[in-house]
Amino acid sequence: EVQLLESGGGLVQPGGSLRLSCSASGFTFSTYAMGWVRQAPGKGLDWVSSIDNSGKNAFYADSVRGRFTISRDSSTHTLFLQLQSLRAEDTALYYCAKIGLLSANFDYWGQGILVTVSS
Amino acid sequence: DIQMTQSPSTLSASVGDRVTITCRASQNIDTWLAWYQQRPGKAPNLLIYKASSLESGVPSRFSGSGSGTEFTLTISGLQPDDFATYFCQHYNSYSRTFGQGTKVEIK
Repeated sequence: EVQLLESGGGLVQPGGSLRLSCSASGFTFSTYAMGWVRQAPGKGLDWVSSIDNSGKNAFYADSVRGRFTISRDSSTHTLFLQLQSLRAEDTALYYCAKIGLLSANFDYWGQGILVTVSS
Repeated sequence: DIQMTQSPSTLSASVGDRVTITCRASQNIDTWLAWYQQRPGKAPNLLIYKASSLESGVPSRFSGSGSGTEFTLTISGLQPDDFATYFCQHYNSYSRTFGQGTKVEIK
């Protein structure tokens, strides 16, 4: 069974940093691209970043490019998102998701981890 | 940047109804479109990819169509579990853009 478990969220001041982790199990982690999608309270879905299966190619939404960094560790089956220079508008539930080989879309999702940016 | 616009924002329907949600792209995206369902308090669930391909395990009452700039998601025979919010999403090799969502409510 595919499982994705996010951790590392919390309350951080504007301008601060945070590192999110997503522990993956139930599939061959090194085979699949992965990504992060966020959802502000009461709002819609907002794609943040994706990374290919090798970890060599990373892609970002314009709103986070230069501030967030996605990475992965195949030895520990973990996906990361480093968040820096955080702003109030980054407050959201952050989902980790697996990208399917056939669909090329997010076919499995974690339960989400809340990041709150506030002074 | 490509913008995705869904209509309507909210839709009221009854169990058994046929429901159609529209998604429009600001420019031609061929068939690079997916649909997701999100129930309250839950993570999204992939329904359709490549505009009309049904994701494994998704009931056949869900169908997608369209190409270019206009797309539709149809639910044929709405079930109680289908009252949720639906999002379209354009995708390519380097970015993804979601529509703002359509909430399907009980009439």
